[in-house]
Amino acid sequence: GNSVTQMEGPVTLSEEAFLTINCTYTATGYPSLFWYVQYPGEGLQLLLKATKADDKGSNKGFEATYRKETTSFHLEKGSVQVSDSAVYFCALSDQGGNKLTFGTGTQLKVEL
Amino acid sequence: SAVISQKPSRDICQRGTSLTIQCQVDSQVTMMFWYRQQPGQSLTLIATANQGSEATYESGFVIDKFPISRPNLTFSTLTVSNMSPEDSSIYLCSVQDRQGWGSREQFFGPGTRLTVL
Repeated sequence: GNSVTQMEGPVTLSEEAFLTINCTYTATGYPSLFWYVQYPGEGLQLLLKATKADDKGSNKGFEATYRKETTSFHLEKGSVQVSDSAVYFCALSDQGGNKLTFGTGTQLKVEL
Repeated sequence: SAVISQKPSRDICQRGTSLTIQCQVDSQVTMMFWYRQQPGQSLTLIATANQGSEATYESGFVIDKFPISRPNLTFSTLTVSNMSPEDSSIYLCSVQDRQGWGSREQFFGPGTRLTVL
């Protein structure tokens, strides 16, 4: 079956540091890939997505590239802010498109 | 994207009782889903709510424990029956409309935080 593996957290960074959160997946066919973010006390928000190999999703300074050869979708940001502190979930939907499989989530803490 | 609301936003319930959670969308959608997020954990899909037919449940979830209704294309309910403390979680509904919002992305409601004593 499908699965998503994320790096464990919490990840603690200083403001303006570079962020990478690793995500790898196992799936048959050609899944779509997503990053969702959950700010404290709030629901999930879609951060970015990529639907085919070599696509780059980007939003709010975050980027992730769909790498089929390494089955990865790592999340990056060049300069994090305190307001980026949240839990980040990597997810995929299978080729049928109806079911999302989530990783375990990575908590990011950004300090001044 | 759609605007999704859930009621209640949170509740504290006694063991053995049931709670019905409502999910309302501001536009018609084809697919609605219910997820559970246990404390400190990721999201697990409970079921897909199909309009006009019975819900489709994932492994480990059964209709007697989590009955779902989907009376129209903008509304669904999830009931958590005969609750125990292990049911304490955040319950989220999500929607998907492939035509309107691109390929396969889902949008989530704010969640219902349930505590069972």
